Amino acid sequence: QSALTQPPSASGSPGQSVTISCTGTSSDVGTYNYVSWYQQHPGKAPKLMIYEVSKRPSGVPDRFSGSKSGNTASLTVSGLQAEDEADYYCSSYAGSDNVIFGGGTKLTVL
Amino acid sequence: QLQLQESDSGLVKPSQTLSLTCAVSGGSISSGGYSWSWIRQPPGKGLEWIGYIYHSGGTYYNPSLKSRVTISLDRSKNQFSLKLSSVTAADTAVYYCARLSVALGGHDYWGQGTLVTVSS
Repeated sequence: QSALTQPPSASGSPGQSVTISCTGTSSDVGTYNYVSWYQQHPGKAPKLMIYEVSKRPSGVPDRFSGSKSGNTASLTVSGLQAEDEADYYCSSYAGSDNVIFGGGTKLTVL
Repeated sequence: QLQLQESDSGLVKPSQTLSLTCAVSGGSISSGGYSWSWIRQPPGKGLEWIGYIYHSGGTYYNPSLKSRVTISLDRSKNQFSLKLSSVTAADTAVYYCARLSVALGGHDYWGQGTLVTVSS
């Protein structure tokens, strides 16, 4: 199984919106709605931001939203804030009790 | 509040076996609806799922690591463990334990991670 494909970097100014893509295949993202997104600040453990494509855990701001079309999932961060600067990873169930992650995207707030 | 804490493995020599435990507090590893994962992150790189164990004891591993990985539960100590055999420098990484929620389909609680270095 190959890692999900994410752009290495993304950026936006405070207040703007940024969308990060996560491309898989028909064996993972395209078939299952178990796509999740994680935020990781330097030296910290990842934090679950989105699960089941578009749902937010309690406590995650509604500025974070997720969607999926075909084999590609997306994370959108609206109203960018300085604290949103971090690495973001997508993850998907890949069948046969396997989990795969994306390579990660470094989000810079300009 | 659920908390997960990895043990400190530190330095492991090439060809030896890496062993880590994850102590869980604030909840039981025997609770239904959850699996317990190990995930690693080489320095400066992305996350890699190693495998998980269901609350019932069933195990599932990353196919690329399956021949070298064993994950087990210790219900008496409320902890779970990882063993990775025949390690090489490529296994140098921060190792995280995490809870996989079946309801959420995502890892909702994570340990702080422990750096394991493979070097002679």
